[in-house]
Amino acid sequence: QKEVEQNSGPLSVPEGAIASLNCTYSDRGSQSFFWYRQYSGKSPELIMFIYSNGDKEDGRFTAQLNKASQYVSLLIRDSQPSDSATYLCAVPPGGGNKLTFGTGTQLKVEL
Amino acid sequence: NAGVTQTPKFQVLKTGQSMTLQCAQDMNHNSMYWYRQDPGMGLRLIYYSASEGTTDKGEVPNGYNVSRLNKREFSLRLESAAPSQTSVYFCASTQTGAVTEAFFGQGTRLTVV
Repeated sequence: QKEVEQNSGPLSVPEGAIASLNCTYSDRGSQSFFWYRQYSGKSPELIMFIYSNGDKEDGRFTAQLNKASQYVSLLIRDSQPSDSATYLCAVPPGGGNKLTFGTGTQLKVEL
Repeated sequence: NAGVTQTPKFQVLKTGQSMTLQCAQDMNHNSMYWYRQDPGMGLRLIYYSASEGTTDKGEVPNGYNVSRLNKREFSLRLESAAPSQTSVYFCASTQTGAVTEAFFGQGTRLTVV
């Protein structure tokens, strides 16, 4: 089992809709969870992080964490064409220094 | 404030040639990482350095060597390049291990022919 798993997509949503991106992880000791956005040809950039069970909101973005199910998700409300990118989930193993990423989900927001 | 700087941005190598990818950060971060990114494969960790003087293998270390020259610099060396090493390489750094935000360099697009 891979340490961090994501559906590769592409996930297509119409402009203005909610995009839901999902990530599962294998290490129950993981304590921090990150979502990065990567535009084509560019470097990844951090958009959200979450440490506690539940929801964390930042503007149009909401991260949801369920440690019992080992599941973290990212919701993007009122999706815009500029949100079209690949979204990478990162879940460092508990107590470790190895920053491990999922394969990323490609999101396409269509006009 | 430059952040994380990688050189070169582009490189073409012939099979069997060697080269070193350079990475430097000016944020006084302790941890540094090298990744490769291939289509559909996400970011795969090659090597990382939790602190100055230490290095550890990641998921795909074969064919690579690294040097943590000092706190600022972390280089990646390909001793004998192979076509399978054609990829985009990213260097990243974090303040304290993997549990804080990672900052990435602009990437190096390497082609081995």
